Amino acid sequence: GAVVSQHPSWVICKSGTSVKIECRSLDFQATTMFWYRQFPKQSLMLMATSNEGSKATYEQGVEKDKFLINHASLTLSTLTVTSAHPEDSSFYICSASGTGTYTYEQYFGPGTRLTVT
Amino acid sequence: SQQGEEDPQALSIQEGENATMNCSYKTSINNLQWYRQNSGRGLVHLILIRSNEREKHSGRLRVTLDTSKKSSSLLITASRAADTASYFCATDEWDDKIIFGKGTRLHILP
Repeated sequence: GAVVSQHPSWVICKSGTSVKIECRSLDFQATTMFWYRQFPKQSLMLMATSNEGSKATYEQGVEKDKFLINHASLTLSTLTVTSAHPEDSSFYICSASGTGTYTYEQYFGPGTRLTVT
Repeated sequence: SQQGEEDPQALSIQEGENATMNCSYKTSINNLQWYRQNSGRGLVHLILIRSNEREKHSGRLRVTLDTSKKSSSLLITASRAADTASYFCATDEWDDKIIFGKGTRLHILP
């Protein structure tokens, strides 16, 4: 089946620094990738949708300049949290859909736990 | 964006009992999916039910969908300790965007 990986699986960074999270589709071409954020004991919230080669579409309330998303290839999307602050500490999950998968299915990565100190 | 609403928010049952979780949503959907999430882990896809289906089974899981009431239920039969997790329903709209509900935290007591 379709596999999505994320790197790193966890990261601790200092306040004010930037962190990049990678999301890769390992055995299919991901024409669309989604980024979610989950705070403890809460549901996943969609942050943005990115299509390969296009600018990401951000959900209302998500700062574009703070959460930079790049989907430069059909197998890789990156989320960069710029000038991270403790309130950005969260579990970030990506998902992907595309050629070789059913159009209605999304395949999820294992998530990245970000802790900002 | 619409969002599914799970009910109850938390559920504790004895091992071996059946667990039922409900999900309601607000607008027309393409499909509805149920996911499981163990604490701190990524999501695991459980089952997808299309808008023209009414019931679907997968092992110990049974999902129903009532589009007239805009609701779905997930039944886990003969629960096990390993079923302890959070369960989310997710609706996808026609643009492939999936919106998650708030989840039900299920705890199976030994």
